[in-house]
Amino acid sequence: GQQVMQIPQYQHVQEGEDFTTYCNSSTTLSNIQWYKQRPGGHPVFLIQLVKSGEVKKQKRLTFQFGEAKKNSSLHITATQTTDVGTYFCARAREYGNKLVFGAGTILRVKS
Amino acid sequence: GAGVSQSPRYKVAKRGQDVALRCDPISGHVSLFWYQQALGQGPEFLTYFQNEAQLDKSGLPSDRFFAERPEGSVSTLKIQRTQQEDSAVYLCASTWGGGGREYFGPGTRLLVL
Repeated sequence: GQQVMQIPQYQHVQEGEDFTTYCNSSTTLSNIQWYKQRPGGHPVFLIQLVKSGEVKKQKRLTFQFGEAKKNSSLHITATQTTDVGTYFCARAREYGNKLVFGAGTILRVKS
Repeated sequence: GAGVSQSPRYKVAKRGQDVALRCDPISGHVSLFWYQQALGQGPEFLTYFQNEAQLDKSGLPSDRFFAERPEGSVSTLKIQRTQQEDSAVYLCASTWGGGGREYFGPGTRLLVL
């Protein structure tokens, strides 16, 4: 139905390695949001993607929205220990009366 | 400016006790959302207000859960006769309108013994 699937569930990388998390939906998404939650913290908004094929960058983070608007990815280049946390994608309705979150990808970084 | 605030930050309740969780959204934010986050899971939608109107309460797990926002600003989530399965972090979020980024509060961590 309306769920978004995230893979992988967990990734442990060496500092400096790259990291990617994927978000997939069986239905077309009007838009997708990404959030980061540090351990013990609350979700913090990273970005919203709206257009088919959209690519946005925030420093070492690159976000993509698939051409069919059914999948999205977050790629982190050269991870740092400050990147540790859980990354969630969330599908948002056009008139946004709720967000449906994926289960998240936990990122751990070894220094 | 001030973000979303929630109180208490931590609450320990005995099974069967009633609890009330408070959310102060960002001033001027029209929309307010409550989420429940179990350990290791993503936030799960509970209910949504636009001003004082509760437009969607489809996520409330039972009739023991009740939310209100009588003046369109502060909101309270009440859980009656708490059960152990209610133990979770309860997150509040607000936005200017019906879409776009949500600003989350720090959450209330509820533990029911």
